Amino acid sequence: DTEVTQTPKHLVMGMTNKKSLKCEQHMGHRAMYWYKQKAKKPPELMFVYSYEKLSINESVPSRFSPECPNSSLLNLHLHALQPEDSALYLCASSPDRGPTEAFFGQGTRLTVV
Amino acid sequence: GENVEQHPSTLSVQEGDSAVIKCTYSDSASNYFPWYKQELGKRPQLIIDIRSNVGEKKDQRIAVTLNKTAKHFSLHITETQPEDSAVYFCAARVYGQNFVFGPGTRLSVLP
Repeated sequence: DTEVTQTPKHLVMGMTNKKSLKCEQHMGHRAMYWYKQKAKKPPELMFVYSYEKLSINESVPSRFSPECPNSSLLNLHLHALQPEDSALYLCASSPDRGPTEAFFGQGTRLTVV
Repeated sequence: GENVEQHPSTLSVQEGDSAVIKCTYSDSASNYFPWYKQELGKRPQLIIDIRSNVGEKKDQRIAVTLNKTAKHFSLHITETQPEDSAVYFCAARVYGQNFVFGPGTRLSVLP
């Protein structure tokens, strides 16, 4: 299994809602990432988990809250988002943080209304 | 920190021609350089990568070259086909650090 699976594929939420994005991989990768991608831009790093511990938070607002329940799962909890948070949210994983590729999930297209 | 530049931002070629995209990086400690292809609305997918101990790597119509002294690497696509049309991102990674992506190149292959 060389897939990173993200759910849901699409999400529309109001600014007062609470929702969660989910990411799952079964490749035994120990590094997992959340990226945000706006149209016509490269992926922008949000968080990195290494061996299930948060190792990097790229100054992301607290309305985004990551969670890594185990080595296969990564969640992103969303609360009180703004319309400018609308974007494609990509999860990725890699064996570790060495010179190896990152595998991306298909993303969640988030629209905040 | 690492900074990756990428040129050109858009590239149009005729089907069958070659396409070249160039990237430069700033951190001499970077040791891994992947290239991702992203079609509209889809995930980035790795198409080729190169490590710092290698100067060139080829996979069918795709090749990547790395010049560590000049800190630049390039993607070469030969015999382009319409399905090669996409956005291409280069990236650089220092061991233990994270991927830094270039701004992307939108490639259009005209039939």
